[in-house]
Amino acid sequence: GENVEQHPSTLSVQEGDSAVIKCTYSDSASNYFPWYKQELGKRPQLIIDIRSNVGEKKDQRIAVTLNKTAKHFSLHITETQPEDSAVYFCAASRGFEAAGNKLTFGGGTRVLVKP
Amino acid sequence: NAGVMQNPRHLVRRRGQEARLRCSPMKGHSHVYWYRQLPEEGLKFMVYLQKENIIDESGMPKERFSAEFPKEGPSILRIQQVVRGDSAAYFCASSPGQGTGGYTFGSGTRLTVV
Repeated sequence: GENVEQHPSTLSVQEGDSAVIKCTYSDSASNYFPWYKQELGKRPQLIIDIRSNVGEKKDQRIAVTLNKTAKHFSLHITETQPEDSAVYFCAASRGFEAAGNKLTFGGGTRVLVKP
Repeated sequence: NAGVMQNPRHLVRRRGQEARLRCSPMKGHSHVYWYRQLPEEGLKFMVYLQKENIIDESGMPKERFSAEFPKEGPSILRIQQVVRGDSAAYFCASSPGQGTGGYTFGSGTRLTVV
């Protein structure tokens, strides 16, 4: 089955700096890669996703890149703000048609943005 | 649209009791997923259901755990004879089906076994 590794497990950045989280996956059939943000005691919330036919996607201060050959994808947060502090999870899926969109999650990255 | 509704939000059970967790999907969604999150860990897939059908239960422990999604009413995740290791947050998500991407999670049920 799919295995998703996520690094680093914790990340501390100064407000205004950039944060980068990296994930690798093992299943070459995976074609859908979402990122979730989870604040303490709350539900995971989808913040951005990318499909395998796209190499990069951006939404305001958040961007995701995908390298299918190397089987890794990354989340980039620019101009970090204190409200970006949370745990971030990457995930991978073969997509709905192949696997009912079952997601395999990475272990999470705890991001702390210091004012 | 009220989103994915889970109840109860918090559930305390003594060892050996049964736990029933409920999930009402978003309106119009016929696909439900259950995930478990242990403290300080990521989410682990448990089971994927459509109305009246279990599609994939590959992440569900073979004993004590069961899930259903009846024609009417919410999806139920049932844990019999709970043990301390079952303490976790259980999240439900729903999706309308084919062609969709990310799905929306409910607020979760935090199960504590004492």
